[in-house]
Amino acid sequence: DADVTQTPRNRITKTGKRIMLECSQTKGHDRMYWYRQDPGLGLRLIYYSFDVKDINKGEISDGYSVSRQAQAKFSLSLESAIPNQTALYFCATSDGQLSYEQYFGPGTRLTVT
Amino acid sequence: EDQVTQSPEALRLQEGESSSLNCSYTVSGLRGLFWYRQDPGKGPEFLFTLYSAGEEKEKERLKATLTKKESFLHITAPKPEDSATYLCAVQVNYGGSQGNLIFGKGTKLSVKP
Repeated sequence: DADVTQTPRNRITKTGKRIMLECSQTKGHDRMYWYRQDPGLGLRLIYYSFDVKDINKGEISDGYSVSRQAQAKFSLSLESAIPNQTALYFCATSDGQLSYEQYFGPGTRLTVT
Repeated sequence: EDQVTQSPEALRLQEGESSSLNCSYTVSGLRGLFWYRQDPGKGPEFLFTLYSAGEEKEKERLKATLTKKESFLHITAPKPEDSATYLCAVQVNYGGSQGNLIFGKGTKLSVKP
């Protein structure tokens, strides 16, 4: 089984709808991250959490919110989706104690029409 | 401003034709440099971490090296299955967002049989 899972894998939604993307991990890592990837722009950090009680904004947090329900679960919400939020979204985790590399989930392809 | 620049943006090789990908960075203090491989529509896959100038890491046909200003990913006798986008990321050792990675935009490698 994959260490980092994301649901859904694909989603098409309409402008103005609220949508939640979910991430779960079995790696036992404290740190979790949400990124979006757009062609030509690379990976950009949306939010990150170093533990259940710690949530921080990343480079592009406007229009997004997150919830860290447990050490293993980190959800990303789009309160009112807009077309320029169409992108590939990735969740990642890292240990942050012994090592700092991040491990990524398979991604969610989101299309906002 | 912390920056990571990868070159070239795209590279086409014949099978067996060795080459190198470059990742140059501008940061005030480097904690680590990371290389990832990303296949289309999938999450980045961790390859290497380099921590200090002069360090080298190898995995199959890939070798990563690090200097004080840049890193190289050398690909020896590549095969078509090495085709992917290779991402470089740096982690700084200062500021409140320690642990976060700054990604380059990647080099798209195509290896033709």
